[in-house]
Amino acid sequence: SYELTQPPSVSVSPGQTATITCSGDSLPNQFVYWYQQRPGQAPLLLIYKDTQRPSGIPERFSGSTSGTIVALTISGVQAEDEADYYCQSQTSDSGHNYQVFGTGTKVTVL
Amino acid sequence: QVQLVQSGAEVKQPGSSVKVSCKASGGPSGSFDISWVRQAPGQGLEWMGGFVSVFGEANYAKKFQGRVTITADESTRTSYMELRSLRSEDTAVYYCAKMHCGDGSCYEGWLDPWGQGTLVSVSS
Repeated sequence: SYELTQPPSVSVSPGQTATITCSGDSLPNQFVYWYQQRPGQAPLLLIYKDTQRPSGIPERFSGSTSGTIVALTISGVQAEDEADYYCQSQTSDSGHNYQVFGTGTKVTVL
Repeated sequence: QVQLVQSGAEVKQPGSSVKVSCKASGGPSGSFDISWVRQAPGQGLEWMGGFVSVFGEANYAKKFQGRVTITADESTRTSYMELRSLRSEDTAVYYCAKMHCGDGSCYEGWLDPWGQGTLVSVSS
């Protein structure tokens, strides 16, 4: 089955930059979305269509793409950014379309 | 702003079924395209399936085909997810989320907002 691979964890000091990657063979042909999930909460949309930020999401969150690897960058990390982050995209099989999530990355703010 | 409110926590016996509801409030009416995602304790997000209102049909992840039914009613703005033949591995928080359809398949789009989640515990 199709998989989106993320690093299990990223550690970063406050004020520094954290980069979370998401890799998958079909990513050059599909949009990628990013979600933040704090403990005990539902996921929150951070980035849509690779690089777009919904209203209300701080500018320090940004998305980028490069072939089969996409990335979420958090610039000037704050303590409140400590959370799990997931990428999401789509795949197709036998004429059916499926949504798929990345394996998830836990961001720890030191 | 649309909000999705899900039904409350459930405790089920192995082999039984569970039906979780997800009701939209606020925001504009219109298409009601919903995905269901679950998260086992300490694990990541897992897409189960979705319902696209313009086609009136659901699409399921292969893992759940034959065991799950997702429906959605635009008139009541409510979606339901029924999972049958429950086993202990189905213990998880189940989320509904509104799909935003792109130019192509709705499954190419993003999920926003999400419901608050419903804990389903399966235990004898």
